[in-house]
Amino acid sequence: DVKVTQSSRYLVKRTGEKVFLECVQDMDHENMFWYRQDPGLGLRLIYFSYDVKMKEKGDIPEGYSVSREKKERFSLILESASTNQTSMYLCASSSGTSGSGADTQYFGPGTRLTVL
Amino acid sequence: GQNIDQPTEMTATEGAIVQINCTYQTSGFNGLFWYQQHAGEAPTFLSYNVLDGLEEKGRFSSFLSRSKGYSYLLLKELQMKDSASYLCAVRDGDYKLSFGAGTTVTVRA
Repeated sequence: DVKVTQSSRYLVKRTGEKVFLECVQDMDHENMFWYRQDPGLGLRLIYFSYDVKMKEKGDIPEGYSVSREKKERFSLILESASTNQTSMYLCASSSGTSGSGADTQYFGPGTRLTVL
Repeated sequence: GQNIDQPTEMTATEGAIVQINCTYQTSGFNGLFWYQQHAGEAPTFLSYNVLDGLEEKGRFSSFLSRSKGYSYLLLKELQMKDSASYLCAVRDGDYKLSFGAGTTVTVRA
């Protein structure tokens, strides 16, 4: 089974702090994604990576950055946390075999971040 | 931009059938996914459609009409454990998924 793990289930930070959210997958997947999920808005893509050291902006990248130094690990960084970044953050990975079928995304359990 | 619409909430009785509709307008189309998400948990994959027609998987079926930009997820013989949010997502390129806001299904005894 694919396993995607995230470093914390719950996190409370203060405005202006630098926040790191870590995600690790154990299936040698090429692609990794960071989403945030807010009531009534669904999942929105922040950033994704299709290879080590490669990253692409998603739909809402402002205020975030990412790092992918190793294939299995994808980090989301909030340079200076703000209250409007209070949300559920979900990491996902997929094998990267685009064009050959479903290439399903597998999700981690999520990190609920509260910024005070 | 991408526009994916699905109803916010649906309620049904145990043993019944519920159909969750999803309409989409996207810049490209490379498959439609349905995910199930129980409260406080990660979304889990249910189904994938890339060609028109019906895909059946046990009690769950998913239908796609690309010309109409329309899909539905059919849940048969509802059980209490089916109470969850159901997310419709469209892949418009090689990697990215665009998600609808999700439909919360409540199953009553």
